[in-house]
Amino acid sequence: AQSVAQPEDQVNVAEGNPLTVKCTYSVSGNPYLFWYVQYPNRGLQFLLKYITGDNLVKGSYGFEAEFNKSQTSFHLKKPSALVSDSALYFCAVRDSSSGNTGKLIFGQGTTLQVKP
Amino acid sequence: DGGITQSPKYLFRKEGQNVTLSCEQNLNHDAMYWYRQDPGQGLRLIYYSQIVNDFQKGDIAEGYSVSREKKESFPLTVTSAQKNPTAFYLCASTYTDHKGNTIYFGEGSWLTVV
Repeated sequence: AQSVAQPEDQVNVAEGNPLTVKCTYSVSGNPYLFWYVQYPNRGLQFLLKYITGDNLVKGSYGFEAEFNKSQTSFHLKKPSALVSDSALYFCAVRDSSSGNTGKLIFGQGTTLQVKP
Repeated sequence: DGGITQSPKYLFRKEGQNVTLSCEQNLNHDAMYWYRQDPGQGLRLIYYSQIVNDFQKGDIAEGYSVSREKKESFPLTVTSAQKNPTAFYLCASTYTDHKGNTIYFGEGSWLTVV
């Protein structure tokens, strides 16, 4: 079965420090991986995605993610965290079990708390 | 202004009542989706539609219904058969020509049972 796991419910970092939000996946075939951010009472905003090519993907707001096929991981990173980065982060993988329906399978989400 | 518009932002449902959440997109996307978000459970797919006049059940379709009469519109009806409808509902859309296409989301609608 296809799945996405975000092993940490919450990540706490100090402003200015690097941050990592972890994601592992299990899919059949080539993975199409996405990261989204959600601020309170808002919809999901797209940050970045991995389709093919370079394992390091750069996205919005200074975020990047590293695709690691051998570890089936797609961790989200940022070199220097901002207080305004505090939000809920979702990792997702395209569901490839039923053709090109566009469905996403989401992780449970990780709350990022950046303290000043 | 392009995007996905959900309305209303807040909706209250009485017991035994059906309510409809609106989702409109002007991105010319082929596919549209409805997700339900509960705390600690991530997002779960309710229904999706890849083309006008066609839609499929997602993982938690019981107690919900949809229609896709126009490409731009994908309204979700929460029926009285849905026993625990209080949640945040998110509409999304994308193109279907490639698996790598990004799925974009609306701002969400809160539904509360009173």
